[in-house]
Amino acid sequence: KAGVTQTPRYLIKTRGQQVTLSCSPISGHRSVSWYQQTPGQGLQFLFEYFSETQRNKGNFPGRFSGRQFSNSRSEMNVSTLELGDSALYLCASSLDPGGVDYNEQFFGPGTRLTVL
Amino acid sequence: AQSVTQLGSHVSVSEGALVLLRCNYSSSVPPYLFWYVQYPNQGLQLLLKYTTGATLVKGINGFEAEFKKSETSFHLTKPSAHMSDAAEYFCDVSFLNNDMRFGAGTRLTVKP
Repeated sequence: KAGVTQTPRYLIKTRGQQVTLSCSPISGHRSVSWYQQTPGQGLQFLFEYFSETQRNKGNFPGRFSGRQFSNSRSEMNVSTLELGDSALYLCASSLDPGGVDYNEQFFGPGTRLTVL
Repeated sequence: AQSVTQLGSHVSVSEGALVLLRCNYSSSVPPYLFWYVQYPNQGLQLLLKYTTGATLVKGINGFEAEFKKSETSFHLTKPSAHMSDAAEYFCDVSFLNNDMRFGAGTRLTVKP
């Protein structure tokens, strides 16, 4: 079974631009979560999508948004990029976290975003 | 607010020594508990998890963790460190309301 894939792996943008990152979950997984990882802030939860609906949201500004498609693939978008948005963005998929039998998250390799 | 604390952002041990990485959480609600490992330039990989049942759980690569409800802790241990264990380790505490929280991470260094 293929793992979680994220594209692109590396991205360089300039301040003010916008960016879209893509995540393809493991086949059969319906939940996709996004995290931002930086040396200073650690791993921070952005949002979670399940069956095309945003189910949970972290404490990030509205510049960060996401969506999920009917095939469970997900995208996240960051508009008006700031220098502080430079980070590793991780996507994780799971069958359905929060169910009675909690299923662990399977992480992709991440997209390294650099904002200049 | 629910929170997860990993004591020690950096832990250094000698090869063959005991590894102890600490994780505490604040909540009165029983959580689901996970430890993940992240090797350089990779995503996170599950080491082990506790959902229900036996409080001592064994994971991959010789790691184990014990859920202690009275201490609200889920410390990760390995009896004998190996050079390949050098990585960053994250404690993940998930509550029934899906309010997931990762600890800040602990970077483990293994000295020869």
